[in-house]
Amino acid sequence: EAGVAQSPRYKIIEKRQSVAFWCNPISGHATLYWYQQILGQGPKLLIQFQNNGVVDDSQLPKDRFSAERLKGVDSTLKIQPAKLEDSAVYLCASSQGQLGRNTEAFFGQGTRLTVV
Amino acid sequence: AQKVTQAQTEISVVEKEDVTLDCVYETRDTTYYLFWYKQPPSGELVFLIRRNSFDEQNEISGRYSWNFQKSTSSFNFTITASQVVDSAVYFCALRPPISGGSYIPTFGRGTSLIVHP
Repeated sequence: EAGVAQSPRYKIIEKRQSVAFWCNPISGHATLYWYQQILGQGPKLLIQFQNNGVVDDSQLPKDRFSAERLKGVDSTLKIQPAKLEDSAVYLCASSQGQLGRNTEAFFGQGTRLTVV
Repeated sequence: AQKVTQAQTEISVVEKEDVTLDCVYETRDTTYYLFWYKQPPSGELVFLIRRNSFDEQNEISGRYSWNFQKSTSSFNFTITASQVVDSAVYFCALRPPISGGSYIPTFGRGTSLIVHP
């Protein structure tokens, strides 16, 4: 079974530039998550999708971050404009079933973003 | 508010030693889930275990074992006879019950385990 695919693996941009990350979840997984993991810290949930709808985006900095999952399959996370403090690994995860109940999330390898 | 504390930032052991990774949590929820994840150098988080708050039975899976103590709000993870391949960052996480259709998990800062040959 193919895992969660993310691209690119690495990205270096200058502050105030824009960047987008892509995630393709495991086939059939209804729930998709984006996490931000700053170096030396645990992952922090940014947004959770159920199919193509947003379930929770309370921790997403909406002034600069946006995410979509238009067809309920793959998803993109965008940062515009980027700040130095956005340097982190952005992890995508997916899980089966409704709202991730009693099902575990499978994670991709992440995109490491460096903002200089 | 929820909080997960992994006080050990880094642990270094020699192969075949036993090692315990500590996890202490805080929550006001009476029902919750606790997790351990492994993050190898490749970056992805690998699920290891999930434990319901109402199930205090300890669990063993091969060389891995988990000790859940609700009275002390701890969920410690022991690796017996450690191997070099166990080298990774290990995260403990707390997940509240679903509210309004979603939940926000809280991760600890992680413990970096280095197993030397």
